[in-house]
Order: sequence, then C-alpha cells, then structure tokens
Amino acid sequence: NAGVMQNPRHLVRRRGQEARLRCSPMKGHSHVYWYRQLPEEGLKFMVYLQKENIIDESGMPKERFSAEFPKEGPSILRIQQVVRGDSAAYFCASSPEGSGTEAFFGQGTRLTVV
Amino acid sequence: SQKIEQNSEALNIQEGKTATLTCNYTNYSPAYLQWYRQDPGRGPVFLLLIRENEKEKRKERLKVTFDTTLKQSLFHITASQPADSATYLCALDGWDSSYKLIFGSGTRLLVRP
Repeated sequence: NAGVMQNPRHLVRRRGQEARLRCSPMKGHSHVYWYRQLPEEGLKFMVYLQKENIIDESGMPKERFSAEFPKEGPSILRIQQVVRGDSAAYFCASSPEGSGTEAFFGQGTRLTVV
Repeated sequence: SQKIEQNSEALNIQEGKTATLTCNYTNYSPAYLQWYRQDPGRGPVFLLLIRENEKEKRKERLKVTFDTTLKQSLFHITASQPADSATYLCALDGWDSSYKLIFGSGTRLLVRP
C-alpha cells in the first residue's frame, strides 16, 4: 500500500508563474488536507477536501490559491502568479476518516520562487 | 486565541537516557493530541494519538501523557538512540473543527552516541 504521493518534490517558479502541486492520497482514504510549512515555522493548515468537495478552506489565502480533489485523479493545489513569499514546503496528508485519527503525510513539495 | 508551545531549543541527550519533550497549550480544550516525528526534508510521521479522557499512552519505547488540567502533554522516549534524533511535533485538533490539526513549531532532539 503506497503512502501519500506528492509531486513534484521540488518546484522552481519565477515570480508571476503558476505552480501546480499534486497529491495522491493513500488507497482507501477519501479525506485530503494541505498544509504549508515556512522555514523555521510549524505546519499551518490550508484546506480540507473530500472527493469533489472543499470542506474547509479557511487556511488558504483568499487570492491566487485554489485546491481541488476531483472524482478521478490526484488532489491539486494551485498557486497563481506566485510571489517570493509563497516559497515554502507544501505537505499533503490523507486520512480514512475526517477527525480523531492519524494523518498520513506525503514527503512534500518544496516550492522556490525566484 | 489558541496557542501551542513547544520548546524551541534543541534537546541534547546521551544515548540510553530518556528524552522528555513538552507541549503546552492555552485558551482551548482539545479533544485529542497527536505527536509526529519529522526528519529534515521529509514529511511528518505519525507516532501517537491520545484523547482527552486518556491520561497516558504507550507504544514500544514511546510514552505520551495528557494533563488537561495543566494543559500539557509530555512525550517520552526511553532508552534513546541516535536514530531518534529528529524534530518532534505536537498537534491538536482545531478549536473550531475536529479534522484540522494545529501544530506546534516542534522541538529538535539530538541523541549523542
């Protein structure tokens, strides 16, 4: 049973470009979460999705950021018109249930905006 | 507002000793608390979950306590090994929802051989 798969592991984008981060949850998991980790800071919740539904996006910046988890395929976190401050590690996690259980994290995508 | 604090200074101990890490929280009563391990450049790995009605939980060399009066959790690694060197993260369920995790900034543990 493969773990949570994220790709790419490293992504370099110029200011103003778009970044697309992908996450395939563990088999059988229908709950997906995205977290962001800035250097020397803790992980911050961004968004919680179930298949075809955004349940909670309270941690996502209002502009330029969007997330989806389609019926088929991986979850996508999209950042439009990236700025230097978007440089961070973005982690995806999945769980079999929505709460009270452990979360399985991927290895993250390290986004660098130059 | 809800706040989680972990000691930002690294904990440096000798192999074989017991490592004890602290997680304090304020302005909130979480339903459960989790501990994760994170190695450099890697994603967090789940270690233990303890619920508000549990005082203590063990898993092999790991032990977690949860004191809801003190608003504190202690994480112990007995007979520590150099391979235990990593950053350990404390996480609570969000005050406004049970599914989102609120993480502390982590404590780095260094185990000397």
